[in-house]
Amino acid sequence: DAGITQSPRHKVTETGTPVTLRCHQTENHRYMYWYRQDPGHGLRLIHYSYGVKDTDKGEVSDGYSVSRSKTEDFLLTLESATSSQTSVYFCAISSSGGVSTDTQYFGPGTRLTVL
Amino acid sequence: DAKTTQPTSMDCAEGRAANLPCNHSTISGNEYVYWYRQIHSQGPQYIIHGLKNNETNEMASLIITEDRKSSTLILPHATLRDTAVYYCIVRARNFGNEKLTFGTGTRLTIIP
Repeated sequence: DAGITQSPRHKVTETGTPVTLRCHQTENHRYMYWYRQDPGHGLRLIHYSYGVKDTDKGEVSDGYSVSRSKTEDFLLTLESATSSQTSVYFCAISSSGGVSTDTQYFGPGTRLTVL
Repeated sequence: DAKTTQPTSMDCAEGRAANLPCNHSTISGNEYVYWYRQIHSQGPQYIIHGLKNNETNEMASLIITEDRKSSTLILPHATLRDTAVYYCIVRARNFGNEKLTFGTGTRLTIIP
């Protein structure tokens, strides 16, 4: 399994509070991604990073920000959590190093509940 | 990225081959077919991918039709641990924007 950890694994918070989720990789992969998964929607991309300090928005980026100050860590921040952000959040990494190795590997997920 | 169509659910007897179909009739020449699966509450797991040739690895085989409009994922000897949601994804290799678009997938249940 790819060396990807997410923390925390579970979190319950209240509406209006800031929340930061962490994704940590030991693979030295260039690309990192944050997805959310909700019933009936599959996985949807929030933000992704193509290098240190290089990030871009995905399809559901409103209400989220990200930061990547070093290769191994990609942080997802909810500045002011809302109940609609209750979801399971997955981090993924990819090396994009070539045709046969260009796959995304996913972390174990973080279950976030906003009350 | 091209859209994919998969059956909502399938059953397969333990020990038998599980054949999961996927239609991608609008696939373009530079788009690959990827398969992932997600076992309950876990992160999606990469299985296999291909462009136009059939592919095989330790987990599965991928058969892509000659016109590339459909494909089949084959799990040769299904076990109970193969019960999961299987996602067929088509995407181009567009460096710099490599998002995966997951649909709703096929829920495969392996029957003892």
